[in-house]
Amino acid sequence: NAGVTQTPKFQVLKTGQSMTLQCAQDMNHNSMYWYRQDPGMGLRLIYYSASEGTTDKGEVPNGYNVSRLNKREFSLRLESAAPSQTSVYFCASSADRGGSPLHFGNGTRLTVT
Amino acid sequence: LAKTTQPISMDSYEGQEVNITCSHNNIATNDYITWYQQFPSQGPRFIIQGYKTKVTNEVASLFIPADRKSSTLSLPRVSLSDTAVYYCLVVGAGANNLFFGTGTRLTVIP
Repeated sequence: NAGVTQTPKFQVLKTGQSMTLQCAQDMNHNSMYWYRQDPGMGLRLIYYSASEGTTDKGEVPNGYNVSRLNKREFSLRLESAAPSQTSVYFCASSADRGGSPLHFGNGTRLTVT
Repeated sequence: LAKTTQPISMDSYEGQEVNITCSHNNIATNDYITWYQQFPSQGPRFIIQGYKTKVTNEVASLFIPADRKSSTLSLPRVSLSDTAVYYCLVVGAGANNLFFGTGTRLTVIP
């Protein structure tokens, strides 16, 4: 039982390049989330998917797109990377919204030069 | 979304009990209080959740007074491995945007 798996673990991009961060969970959870964490700061929600087939914007969605490919997978895409998107990205899942505990992956450390 | 306030940092010696208090004056009737722990280079990990009075599990205890405007996470006999950032969240059923804030950085000293 792997929980939440994120790939890649590390990535370096040049400004303007694009990439997709992958996330998969094996807990049959309905809800999935993408957060970013900047040094010394808390986590900020980028996008979430309350259930398969739905996605919604979080606190900081600009510059990102998401796809809930199926119940297991939720990907985050940067179409044109900017230095301000240098961060650690965490994917999480929960059985349902709200009170259900979140289960996090170990993050993707992204640097944009 | 009820805002939470918690100390930025705390230090404790090994073997001591640590209490981290979180204020949430605007908590709503249906909101739960949830605590997460985050180690460096890892995602946050769920520790404990409660609605009122006291909740205890193998890791921690959570104390919530009757007015629910604050809560206290209690870690018994901390060890060096408890050094981490601890986040207090107030979460309503059906909510999607869980606000983590900056948390409390606990440093356990030998």
